[in-house]
Amino acid sequence: EAQVTQNPRYLITVTGKKLTVTCSQNMNHEYMSWYRQDPGLGLRQIYYSMNVEVTDKGDVPEGYKVSRKEKRNFPLILESPSPNQTSLYFCASSSDTNTGELFFGEGSRLTVL
Amino acid sequence: AQSVAQPEDQVNVAEGNPLTVKCTYSVSGNPYLFWYVQYPNRGLQFLLKYITGDNLVKGSYGFEAEFNKSQTSFHLKKPSALVSDSALYFCAVSPTSGTYKYIFGTGTRLKVLA
Repeated sequence: EAQVTQNPRYLITVTGKKLTVTCSQNMNHEYMSWYRQDPGLGLRQIYYSMNVEVTDKGDVPEGYKVSRKEKRNFPLILESPSPNQTSLYFCASSSDTNTGELFFGEGSRLTVL
Repeated sequence: AQSVAQPEDQVNVAEGNPLTVKCTYSVSGNPYLFWYVQYPNRGLQFLLKYITGDNLVKGSYGFEAEFNKSQTSFHLKKPSALVSDSALYFCAVSPTSGTYKYIFGTGTRLKVLA
């Protein structure tokens, strides 16, 4: 089954404790992206990747890092989480950077205390 | 700045009635346009897209959308709403040049009343 898998689905952590949210897709997609969803703000892009070792900032990259060492994986790293990073995070992938629809993971709800 | 607007936070419609969820955009060039749906505690699911051609696009679950270039709009429609259509709907735009950043609207919650 074609899917995008995120882990963990739920996480409560404390300020400053590094964490990684993993994302993996099994569709051989080149394009992957991370979004955060906040009430009233919709989805905002954090980072995206065009292919292995090719990443670029989205609209809200501050406080986040990503890497793309393998085509299927695109982890999101919060080196020193802060309460304003409490949000619902989605990973997505696509076969085409502009015309292809995005396939989304189920989301990771992160709470930073 | 490039943007996507969904002017209604919530749309209520009676089951069996037609529904419209509005979307307008401000993006240079001729962007690609998408609609996604989000059910509670789930990720977004693709509904339909406009790339080129016929201005009326048909998608999943009986939804369709009409592209209007002069009004820079891409409204989502369905002739007869179902209670199961109740969800959060997002309009998105992918610019055709310059960047690979999808731009999402803030979402419209559709509530279909039995």
